[in-house]
Amino acid sequence: EDQVTQSPEALRLQEGESSSLNCSYTVSGLRGLFWYRQDPGKGPEFLFTLYSAGEEKEKERLKATLTKKESFLHITAPKPEDSATYLCAVQAGETSGSRLTFGEGTQLTVNP
Amino acid sequence: DTEVTQTPKHLVMGMTNKKSLKCEQHMGHRAMYWYKQKAKKPPELMFVYSYEKLSINESVPSRFSPECPNSSLLNLHLHALQPEDSALYLCASSLSASGKNIQYFGAGTRLSVL
Repeated sequence: EDQVTQSPEALRLQEGESSSLNCSYTVSGLRGLFWYRQDPGKGPEFLFTLYSAGEEKEKERLKATLTKKESFLHITAPKPEDSATYLCAVQAGETSGSRLTFGEGTQLTVNP
Repeated sequence: DTEVTQTPKHLVMGMTNKKSLKCEQHMGHRAMYWYKQKAKKPPELMFVYSYEKLSINESVPSRFSPECPNSSLLNLHLHALQPEDSALYLCASSLSASGKNIQYFGAGTRLSVL
């Protein structure tokens, strides 16, 4: 069974204090790893997709990286508007189609 | 444009009511999804439609009835719900239901069952 574990569960940072969120996975045949951002009461917003180990993607203050066992979401000099829950999800296997297996999320709070 | 539109944004219903949630996308996507999300938990897959046909039903109780009238629309009909069904209901779409496809989510419908 595919498993996705995110850590930490919650992270509190000061504005400008860089850090990383972790997503470790145990799957059979990774086809894609996805990062979403979710604000309270809203739907998940797509951030990045990574398909193979060594791949990196960047968008503003966010950078996602992928290894064979885990992915990191690096946040450089965060701002209060980066506060949200960050969800990691994987697509794996030959028969699961586009089914996503989600981690429990990391709730990020950035204080001014 | 990666917009998935859900209506209504909020819904309050009694346990004997019948209501429907609506989802619309105009990206040409041929796969559409319903998820249920409880507070502080990740989304849980309920149904997947591929080319307007139901392809996955995650053992969802029959009081939830999905419908896909055409490639742009997805409905979720609700009947005789229980208070524990109160949650955020999310619709998503992707280019297809196979391969490496990104799912784009709507803003959700916040459902309260009294």
